[in-house]
Amino acid sequence: DTGVSQDPRHKITKRGQNVTFRCDPISEHNRLYWYRQTLGQGPEFLTYFQNEAQLEKSRLLSDRFSAERPKGSFSTLEIQRTEQGDSAMYLCASSFRGPSTDTQYFGPGTRLTVL
Amino acid sequence: AQTVTQSQPEMSVQEAETVTLSCTYDTSENNYYLFWYKQPPSRQMILVIRQEAYKQQNATENRFSVNFQKAAKSFSLKISDSQLGDTAMYFCAFTSGNTPLVFGKGTRLSVIA
Repeated sequence: DTGVSQDPRHKITKRGQNVTFRCDPISEHNRLYWYRQTLGQGPEFLTYFQNEAQLEKSRLLSDRFSAERPKGSFSTLEIQRTEQGDSAMYLCASSFRGPSTDTQYFGPGTRLTVL
Repeated sequence: AQTVTQSQPEMSVQEAETVTLSCTYDTSENNYYLFWYKQPPSRQMILVIRQEAYKQQNATENRFSVNFQKAAKSFSLKISDSQLGDTAMYFCAFTSGNTPLVFGKGTRLSVIA
């Protein structure tokens, strides 16, 4: 069990560019979550998947954001036409949703800086 | 909507001493899960401890324990024998199991030698 991994760890981009982040969950975890964390704040929910189905999206997820989890394995989060306000840490977490458990384990995050 | 409140933005403790971090939450659910996560500076979010609301016994993990008061909707974290490596942001979080985690704003803990 290698834990949740995210790639890249850091991304610097210019305003207006598109960026894509990848998350590989813990194997056999059926749920995968994306959160955004700004400096000095707790993570805020963006979206989550159970297997390949995207079950919920936050109001924070504007139409410039899209996420996929093909085949219920890794997930990608894409931000189109980035804005300076998108600068944040993007965290991925995974869990195994069972009858009495749903503990989320986090990856190291991708820090996005939009210039 | 569920909310989580951490009223202590910053705390400090002497090495080897005990410190308690506070957390209150608001929910109409009866079954749910509560967590404390630790986020060291520039490092990964790590699970410290979890509590199922249906369990009356307070969770304990080595030097970390919780005081779960369901009626008061309170979920405090006690760290005993504080170590320098405990220096981090600590986040309290809630989920009903069918909802994503809702986090508090965090408490920055500094352990002083």
